[in-house]
Amino acid sequence: KAGVTQTPRYLIKTRGQQVTLSCSPISGHRSVSWYQQTPGQGLQFLFEYFSETQRNKGNFPGRFSGRQFSNSRSEMNVSTLELGDSALYLCASSREVSSYNSPLHFGNGTRLTVT
Amino acid sequence: KQEVTQIPAALSVPEGENLVLNCSFTDSAIYNLQWFRQDPGKGLTSLLLIQSSQREQTSGRLNASLDKSSGRSTLYIAASQPGDSATYLCAVGNDYKLSFGAGTTVTVRA
Repeated sequence: KAGVTQTPRYLIKTRGQQVTLSCSPISGHRSVSWYQQTPGQGLQFLFEYFSETQRNKGNFPGRFSGRQFSNSRSEMNVSTLELGDSALYLCASSREVSSYNSPLHFGNGTRLTVT
Repeated sequence: KQEVTQIPAALSVPEGENLVLNCSFTDSAIYNLQWFRQDPGKGLTSLLLIQSSQREQTSGRLNASLDKSSGRSTLYIAASQPGDSATYLCAVGNDYKLSFGAGTTVTVRA
């Protein structure tokens, strides 16, 4: 059974640009959540989707957005990139509607570097 | 706001020694507590999930306890092996999301 797939693995962007990251969950999983991991702030929750609906959102500015498609694949977008957006972005999927209350399966992440 | 703390930040032990990793949290109104493992440059692997009504969970050499009233969890890894070297993170489920600790980086010396 394929795991959670995130593409691309690495990205280098310039300040002011925008970026789109993709996540394909494990087959049969309908919940997808996104996290940002940095050395200074650790892992922080961005948002969670279930059946194409955003169910919860973390404390990030509106430049961070996401969506989920009917096949459960999800994308997140960051507009007007800032140096502080450099991070490992992790996607996780789960079977349950409440991802915070069930085992999560993480992808290997997308490493974003903003110069 | 839930604050999750893991001490120590790093730990180095010889092979065969038992590992004890600590996690504390400030808000005891939790749904669950989860332990994850992260290898360098990789995502997280779920190790154990303890529901708020449970006191412990076991899987192979791993045992995790939960004391909700005191806001503490402990992960025990018996008879450590070099392959156990990784960063271990605890995460608390409450307020409809997971809040993560900063992790404990473990090195098991052969």
